[in-house]
Amino acid sequence: NAGVTQTPKFQVLKTGQSMTLQCAQDMNHEYMSWYRQDPGMGLRLIHYSVGAGITDQGEVPNGYNVSRSTTEDFPLRLLSAAPSQTSVYFCASSSGLKNIQYFGAGTRLSVL
Amino acid sequence: GQQLNQSPQSMFIQEGEDVSMNCTSSSIFNTWLWYKQDPGEGPVLLIALYKAGELTSNGRLTAQFGITRKDSFLNISASIPSDVGIYFCAGYSGGGADGLTFGKGTHLIIQP
Repeated sequence: NAGVTQTPKFQVLKTGQSMTLQCAQDMNHEYMSWYRQDPGMGLRLIHYSVGAGITDQGEVPNGYNVSRSTTEDFPLRLLSAAPSQTSVYFCASSSGLKNIQYFGAGTRLSVL
Repeated sequence: GQQLNQSPQSMFIQEGEDVSMNCTSSSIFNTWLWYKQDPGEGPVLLIALYKAGELTSNGRLTAQFGITRKDSFLNISASIPSDVGIYFCAGYSGGGADGLTFGKGTHLIIQP
């Protein structure tokens, strides 16, 4: 049972570089979300999607883009990485029933 | 946006002790969730609460949905070394995937 799979697990970028964090789920969940986790800040919502073709901004969307072309995949794009984007990123999915979210193992990103 | 106040921020306890942590909010939630995060992993759901006043157990863990719907607590009885980690509360107020609000976490440390 794969659940929510995130790749890569670790990434180091230079300021200004772009990259895509991948997230895939095999539970046929409609809802998918991206969070970032910083020390002392808990989990903050970046972007979310309520279904294929539909995305919306969360609490901290600046500097990130998302798309949802399929139910399974929800990639997060950093167009021009900045040191402030150094963080641990978590993808989550939910069936929408009772909104119980299931998390991936995270991507640890450092921007130098 | 909505905020959850989770306390304590950290706990240093001896193995075998009972643990209690709580979350409070100025807003009403329809669902309370408690997650645990191990080092290097994503949060894992421990307990979900759906009704005001509900008391639910999962092994040595017990959680309650406050009667006012603005608070919840989590108790861990007879702590063991594998209980070490960060515990997050999360509240769902309704309205889709963006309705899940996380507390900042309680870091549980067990002293030898």
